[in-house]
Amino acid sequence: KQEVTQIPAALSVPEGENLVLNCSFTDSAIYNLQWFRQDPGKGLTSLLLIQSSQREQTSGRLNASLDKSSGRSTLYIAASQPGDSATYLCAVKPPDSNYQLIWGAGTKLIIKP
Amino acid sequence: DVKVTQSSRYLVKRTGEKVFLECVQDMDHENMFWYRQDPGLGLRLIYFSYDVKMKEKGDIPEGYSVSREKKERFSLILESASTNQTSMYLCASSLGGTGTRSYTFGSGTRLTVV
Repeated sequence: KQEVTQIPAALSVPEGENLVLNCSFTDSAIYNLQWFRQDPGKGLTSLLLIQSSQREQTSGRLNASLDKSSGRSTLYIAASQPGDSATYLCAVKPPDSNYQLIWGAGTKLIIKP
Repeated sequence: DVKVTQSSRYLVKRTGEKVFLECVQDMDHENMFWYRQDPGLGLRLIYFSYDVKMKEKGDIPEGYSVSREKKERFSLILESASTNQTSMYLCASSLGGTGTRSYTFGSGTRLTVV
């Protein structure tokens, strides 16, 4: 059974630093992996989606990488800003499901001004 | 601006009450989902629907039911609310097939059962 883990559960860094958030999964057979952002008390917003055949995706200051063989994905945030403070979740889509995503519990990121 | 709208941001209900959570999407998406989110546990799928009147159980369907009479509306029903159903409930929709790129969430309903 696929399991998705995000460590650490919380992270606090000074503004301006580059940082990496981690996501690991137990089964390398995935269809895609997606990173989401959740602001306090709000729903989730999709940030980046990486297909199983891709190694990375970039959007602005965000770069997500995927290494299926090691069961890992990272979300790199460059030049962090206080507005980046949020919880970041990763989700894996199994190849045998049209609907389901398997979710990590998220990393709560705080950027200190 | 396309969106998924959940009818209530906050709800407080008493144990034993029947509770309805409503979700409406305006994107003509085939798939709709109900999740609950609890600290440290991530999102857990309660039910999903891939078409009108169609539904499938997710990981934690016990104590819940759903209704999808129209494509744009997906309702979650707590038949007899209990305190362990206190949680954040998130509705989402996506295109049919392998439409995970189009996953769109509502803002959530924080339900407290007292």
